[in-house]
Amino acid sequence: SAVISQKPSRDICQRGTSLTIQCQVDSQVTMMFWYRQQPGQSLTLIATANQGSEATYESGFVIDKFPISRPNLTFSTLTVSNMSPEDSSIYLCSVRLQDSINTEAFFGQGTRLTVV
Amino acid sequence: SQQGEEDPQALSIQEGENATMNCSYKTSINNLQWYRQNSGRGLVHLILIRSNEREKHSGRLRVTLDTSKKSSSLLITASRAADTASYFCATDGLKAGGSYIPTFGRGTSLIVHP
Repeated sequence: SAVISQKPSRDICQRGTSLTIQCQVDSQVTMMFWYRQQPGQSLTLIATANQGSEATYESGFVIDKFPISRPNLTFSTLTVSNMSPEDSSIYLCSVRLQDSINTEAFFGQGTRLTVV
Repeated sequence: SQQGEEDPQALSIQEGENATMNCSYKTSINNLQWYRQNSGRGLVHLILIRSNEREKHSGRLRVTLDTSKKSSSLLITASRAADTASYFCATDGLKAGGSYIPTFGRGTSLIVHP
C-alpha cells in the first residue's frame, strides 16, 4: 500500500491569487495523478505527473492554469493559478504502485479549496 | 464524459439494512473498482473485480459484474452508521502514453441512520 500526505488540507483564498498543493508519498512511484472534484460531483483527472518530464494534461486543463512539478519519485506539487470562485473544489493526488491494470489507486486526503 | 454512472444518486437507510448501489458503464473494461469517500476527503479503495469475474466478496461487501449488461452492483450488508459515505465506481482507461488511469462515476451518497 501507499501512504500519501497532502497539504494543505483546506484553504480559503482570495481571487487572483495562487495556491500550491503538495503531495508526498511514502514510497517511490512512477506516476502520480491530480484530480479535481467540484462540489457534489465526481473526480475529473487534471493531469498525470511524470518524474523527469512535463506533466500530461487532460482536455480542458492547461499548464498555465495548473502548473505541476515532479522533482522526484515521491513528491509532486499542483498550483492553482490566478484563482476564481469557479476553482473552488477538492483537489486530490493519487498514485498507483504499478502502472498496470488490475491495481488499485491510492489517494491523499484532499485539499478543500474555497476561493472568495 | 464519465465512464461509470452510479444509481441511485442518494440512498438513505436504517442501520442493519442492506444497501445496494449500481454502476453502469459504456465501453469494454479490464476491471471495475469501487471506492469510498468520507465527507469530501480522500478515496479509499474497497474492491476490484476483473472483467472475467462475476462476483467478489470482501467482509460485508459483495460486488457483482455483468459485462453483457455493462453494469456492476455493490451490496453492503448489515449496514452501520459508519458506512455513511459516498461510493464511486471506476473503470480503467488506457490513456495516451500507455498509462492505466481510473475514470470515476458520479457516485452514490449513502446515509445510514442509527
